[in-house]
Amino acid sequence: DTGVSQNPRHKITKRGQNVTFRCDPISEHNRLYWYRQTLGQGPEFLTYFQNEAQLEKSRLLSDRFSAERPKGSFSTLEIQRTEQGDSAMYLCASSPKTGGNTEAFFGQGTRLTVV
Amino acid sequence: DQQVKQNSPSLSVQEGRISILNCDYTNSMFDYFLWYKKYPAEGPTFLISISSIKDKNEDGRFTVFLNKSAKHLSLHIVPSQPGDSAVYFCAASAGRGAQKLVFGQGTRLTINP
Repeated sequence: DTGVSQNPRHKITKRGQNVTFRCDPISEHNRLYWYRQTLGQGPEFLTYFQNEAQLEKSRLLSDRFSAERPKGSFSTLEIQRTEQGDSAMYLCASSPKTGGNTEAFFGQGTRLTVV
Repeated sequence: DQQVKQNSPSLSVQEGRISILNCDYTNSMFDYFLWYKKYPAEGPTFLISISSIKDKNEDGRFTVFLNKSAKHLSLHIVPSQPGDSAVYFCAASAGRGAQKLVFGQGTRLTINP
């Protein structure tokens, strides 16, 4: 197992275009998270899946953002009609379901630049 | 509303000495705290965590201290090594099994030879 994998690593897009990112979590991790990180800030929570169910969405996730995890394995994050303010690092993380707390394991992220 | 704050954007420490990184939080519901380390162009890597039922957790050179009354935690690294140079993020979550992490802004640690 090579850890959480995110593709692409970098994406440059023109304002108004749609982009889609993919995340492959650690196998057997049934929890998957998306975070966004801008320069000088810590990661900010966007949304969370347990298996294929999207259990929580942040108010940061506007209507232009949609995330899916159709079979409870990989996930996609789509941004429609991108804006310059969407430029950020998009991080995916996964964790196993346990009875208590556990850490989340992060991927290397997808850096989005909207020009 | 910054619920987790790391007030020092940067810290410089001599190799071999102790590095102390601080973190404050405001949400009394937080009951699990984590430290992550991040190198450039990589995702955050988990370092150490502590539950609110403890006040100290140690793992090799890394120790995390939690002061619930002050809503303050700190990460001690001793001895500091050049490979410890990175950005360190404090994170917190609330509720048993809850996994949404709230991160601080990060502290850039530089270890000088």
